[in-house]
Amino acid sequence: AQTVTQSQPEMSVQEAETVTLSCTYDTSESDYYLFWYKQPPSRQMILVIRQEAYKQQNATENRFSVNFQKAAKSFSLKISDSQLGDAAMYFCAYRSGFNFNKFYFGSGTKLNVKP
Amino acid sequence: DVKVTQSSRYLVKRTGEKVFLECVQDMDHENMFWYRQDPGLGLRLIYFSYDVKMKEKGDIPEGYSVSREKKERFSLILESASTNQTSMYLCASSLTGREEKLFFGSGTQLSVL
Repeated sequence: AQTVTQSQPEMSVQEAETVTLSCTYDTSESDYYLFWYKQPPSRQMILVIRQEAYKQQNATENRFSVNFQKAAKSFSLKISDSQLGDAAMYFCAYRSGFNFNKFYFGSGTKLNVKP
Repeated sequence: DVKVTQSSRYLVKRTGEKVFLECVQDMDHENMFWYRQDPGLGLRLIYFSYDVKMKEKGDIPEGYSVSREKKERFSLILESASTNQTSMYLCASSLTGREEKLFFGSGTQLSVL
């Protein structure tokens, strides 16, 4: 089975600064999608960004971008110009391209944003 | 926008009780999921359903069962609740396709005393 590892249980960043959350995964599949989800204190998980394994270009959504290193099986999330509303749990997730119902989640990183 | 609604935000039950967690989605998604979220363990899949009356076990199905009688509704059942089932339960739904994302409910924090 695929595994997703987030090695940073908790991180802190100063407002307006940049922070990078790490994620590595283990798979033998060639076709897959990677996701970052945000879970704020309200508990509603929302999608931040997603990346297709076949695309070499890193995905970007406004202040959020990823550094996708396929050979290294690394998928980090960079948050630029951090805002207080970015404080949340962030989960990295892997979705198989062959078995669409297989989502694998990391253990999460709690991000604190200091004013 | 897709809405996934979980019937209870907080629930307190006694050991041995039968517990029903309900989830409803409003966007005609084929796939529905039940996850359990525990600190340090992330989300673990309990069961998923890809169609009405169809279900498959996830990674931790022991002690749980599910029911999907209608496309929009997916229920998680704890036949005899135990204290080790105290956890956050998240329901999610999605369309079929590898690029499709999960849409989540707001979770049910279940405490079994």
